[in-house]
Amino acid sequence: SAVISQKPSRDICQRGTSLTIQCQVDSQVTMMFWYRQQPGQSLTLIATANQGSEATYESGFVIDKFPISRPNLTFSTLTVSNMSPEDSSIYLCSLHRAGEAFFGQGTRLTVV
Amino acid sequence: ELKVEQNPLFLSMQEGKNYTIYCNYSTTSDRLYWYRQDPGKSLESLFVLLSNGAVKQEGRLMASLDTKARLSTLHITAAVHDLSATYFCAAYLNDYKLSFGAGTTVTVRA
Repeated sequence: SAVISQKPSRDICQRGTSLTIQCQVDSQVTMMFWYRQQPGQSLTLIATANQGSEATYESGFVIDKFPISRPNLTFSTLTVSNMSPEDSSIYLCSLHRAGEAFFGQGTRLTVV
Repeated sequence: ELKVEQNPLFLSMQEGKNYTIYCNYSTTSDRLYWYRQDPGKSLESLFVLLSNGAVKQEGRLMASLDTKARLSTLHITAAVHDLSATYFCAAYLNDYKLSFGAGTTVTVRA
């Protein structure tokens, strides 16, 4: 198993502002992943966060909108920048261990 | 691009009856995952299927994988209320990335 702690668990933000989500894992891991789950939808991968290099973004996601930091092997942050109501979603961090994929409890973001 | 299709998207189950959720994926994938998500919660891992013909069972849930048909099924035996949730399948893409199906929202009624 894996222990993944995300903060905050939820937030309500004004449009035009930014929110940084933190993800702390219980032991070192090379790659961490950030997913978005829009209301009533499935999960979509935003980016892969690698320690020591820039994050790799999936199609439709850009660094200016979703900057990611990965300062060490147990921690990552995702920032949702210049938010609009369309950014209201659950954001989840994830890692792989022993062939399984584990997810944090998610950050429920509402933009008003 | 690896596409994953789940059906049905919504499933109303009667207690005590059996049901199946289907998960098709478009290209070769090494692994298939099943997750459960309760409202407002994160994803709980149910099964990881690693090879053709793999079958795993836990309680009333049984998952299987046919890599040749690119099909996985989640079979629910004698549904009970506690199984009400949304179930996702996800296929392994590459570099530890997963491609998720749309999810099946299950409601179990008496």
